[in-house]
This record gives sequence, C-alpha cells and structure tokens, in this order.
Amino acid sequence: EAQVTQNPRYLITVTGKKLTVTCSQNMNHEYMSWYRQDPGLGLRQIYYSMNVEVTDKGDVPEGYKVSRKEKRNFPLILESPSPNQTSLYFCASKGTGAKNIQYFGAGTRLSVL
Amino acid sequence: GENVEQHPSTLSVQEGDSAVIKCTYSDSASNYFPWYKQELGKGPQLIIDIRSNVGEKKDQRIAVTLNKTAKHFSLHITETQPEDSAVYFCAASSGLSGGYQKVTFGIGTKLQVIP
Repeated sequence: EAQVTQNPRYLITVTGKKLTVTCSQNMNHEYMSWYRQDPGLGLRQIYYSMNVEVTDKGDVPEGYKVSRKEKRNFPLILESPSPNQTSLYFCASKGTGAKNIQYFGAGTRLSVL
Repeated sequence: GENVEQHPSTLSVQEGDSAVIKCTYSDSASNYFPWYKQELGKGPQLIIDIRSNVGEKKDQRIAVTLNKTAKHFSLHITETQPEDSAVYFCAASSGLSGGYQKVTFGIGTKLQVIP
C-alpha cells in the first residue's frame, strides 16, 4: 500500500528545544516536500527535495532545516522552535513523470509553548 | 513568486446541486494545476489535475477547466453528495516532464453539502 508516514502525529514542546519530525515513503519517489497548514493561509511549502542530497527552499523556509540522505526519508528539523511555528505539518511525496500524483501523510500537529 | 487566489472560502449547496470553486494564478510559467480534497483529520488527497496543454478534464462528477490566457482554473462538482463535504484546495506548480518543484496552494474552500 502506498504510504507516506509521519511521526509523531502530535507534539507539544517548549520554545528553543530542538525537534525532528520524521517522514518516510514506501513508493521509491524522487520528490518529497514539507508543508505547513494554518487557518486562513492554506498550505504553504517549507522545503522540497527533487532527489537524494538535492533540496531547495519553498515559500516559508525560515526556522526549518531538512535533509535527504536516503530516498525514502525526508526529516523536518526545527533547531530552535518558536511559538509562531505552532501549526499542522504535512509531508508529501511524488514520483517523476506526468502520471505520478502527490501523496500526503496524515499530518503532524505541533504546539510550541 | 507564484500567487494563487481561491474563492469562495466557504460554499454551501443542497444535495444534488452543482458546486464551483475558482482559482487564479499569477505566474505564466505554472503548467500543472492539481485539486485536492481534505477531509477532517486527514491529509489532502488529489482528486483531479490538469496540465497547461489541456483546457478541460473530467472524471465522473468532477471536472476542471483551465483558461491559460486569463490565468484561471475552476473545479466543478455536479450532483453533489454529503460525502463531498470537505475542504478543497487548488494549487499551481511548474516543472519539466511532469516534474514538481515549487507548489503554491490556494487558501482552501470549505464545501458543505446539505442533505
């Protein structure tokens, strides 16, 4: 079954405490991406990766880091979380080619106190 | 960068009626326009997409139209059913050979189908 798995699903943390949200896909997709979803703002792209060791900024990359050391994994790192990073985060993956579609994970709800 | 505007933000229709959601984009380089449905507590799921070399695409009760000149595209849902109730997002992206780079989403439309 095609899956994009994010962990954890829910996370409450405090300002400044480094955290990592993991994302893994089982479809051998080249493309992976992170989004945040906020009320009234829709989904905004944070970072994306076209393949292993290839990453680029989306529209809202400030305060986030990513890495793509393996094809299946694309972790999102918050080195020093702040309250304005409280949000719902989605990871997604997509294969290359016109017929491939983007699959989303179930989301990670993050609260930074 | 790309800017995608989506409206309306909320839409209520009677079961069996049609629903139309409209989006405009700003970047003429955008060539791929997917639509996603998001149910409560879940991630977005692709329901239909269209590429810039096509003007219209239909899949059962769902259709999408694209006007490249005017830079707008629309989602049409006919014979709506209660299970169509969800938040719908449009998006615009550019890339070669179906590639996928920066993706810009609209703010979403909350559709409520009243039985």
